[in-house]
Amino acid sequence: DGGITQSPKYLFRKEGQNVTLSCEQNLNHDAMYWYRQDPGQGLRLIYYSQIVNDFQKGDIAEGYSVSREKKESFPLTVTSAQKNPTAFYLCASSWGVNQPQHFGDGTRLSIL
Amino acid sequence: KNEVEQSPQNLTAQEGEFITINCSYSVGISALHWLQQHPGGGIVSLFMLSSGKKKHGRLIATINIQEKHSSLHITASHPRDSAVYICAVNEYGGSQGNLIFGKGTKLSVKP
Repeated sequence: DGGITQSPKYLFRKEGQNVTLSCEQNLNHDAMYWYRQDPGQGLRLIYYSQIVNDFQKGDIAEGYSVSREKKESFPLTVTSAQKNPTAFYLCASSWGVNQPQHFGDGTRLSIL
Repeated sequence: KNEVEQSPQNLTAQEGEFITINCSYSVGISALHWLQQHPGGGIVSLFMLSSGKKKHGRLIATINIQEKHSSLHITASHPRDSAVYICAVNEYGGSQGNLIFGKGTKLSVKP
C-alpha cells in the first residue's frame, strides 16, 4: 500500500543535541512538507519541497534544516538552535501545491 | 493575514445525532480542506473544496465563497467519528505550498 512513513513515533533528545526525523513516501509525489503541531494551535509549516534538490522555508524554519536528495525522502533535522523543540511533527506529501496532502502518523519529540 | 477560525472548539454528541462544524476565513482562497486527526495523531484528508458541496458516505462538506465560510456535516454520527476535525485553506496568491490551518474542533460521540 502506498503511503507516508514517519519514524520514529517517539523521540527523546538531550539539550544541545541535533536529532533527525525521517519521512519516506512511496506515492511518487513531487511535493513534501514538514509541519509542527503544538497543543491548542493549528499546524504550522516548517519547510516544504516542490521537487528534488529544492526546498523552501515555511513560517517557522528557524532551528530546523531539511534535505531532499531523493524524491521519496524528506528528513527533518531539529538542531540545538531550536529552543523549544518539544512538539508533534507531521510530514505530508502531495502531487503538487494546492493538491490534497497525504499525512504520516507523526513523530512526538520530547526533551530530556 | 488570513485567519482560519473554527467553531465550536469542542463538541460532544450522542450517537446518531447530526453534527455541524463550522469554518470561516478572512481572505480569498483557492481551495479549502477538511482533515480528520485521530487520537494517535495521524491525519487523513477528507475533502478539498473550491465551490459548492461534496459528499462522501455520511460526511458532507459545503463552502460559500462569498461568505468565506465552510461547514462539515456528519449524519448519523457514530463513536468512531470521534476525532479532531481541522479546516485548512490555500490562500489565493499565497506562498506556494502553504496551507493555513484552523486550531481544530474536537468531536466526541458517545454511544
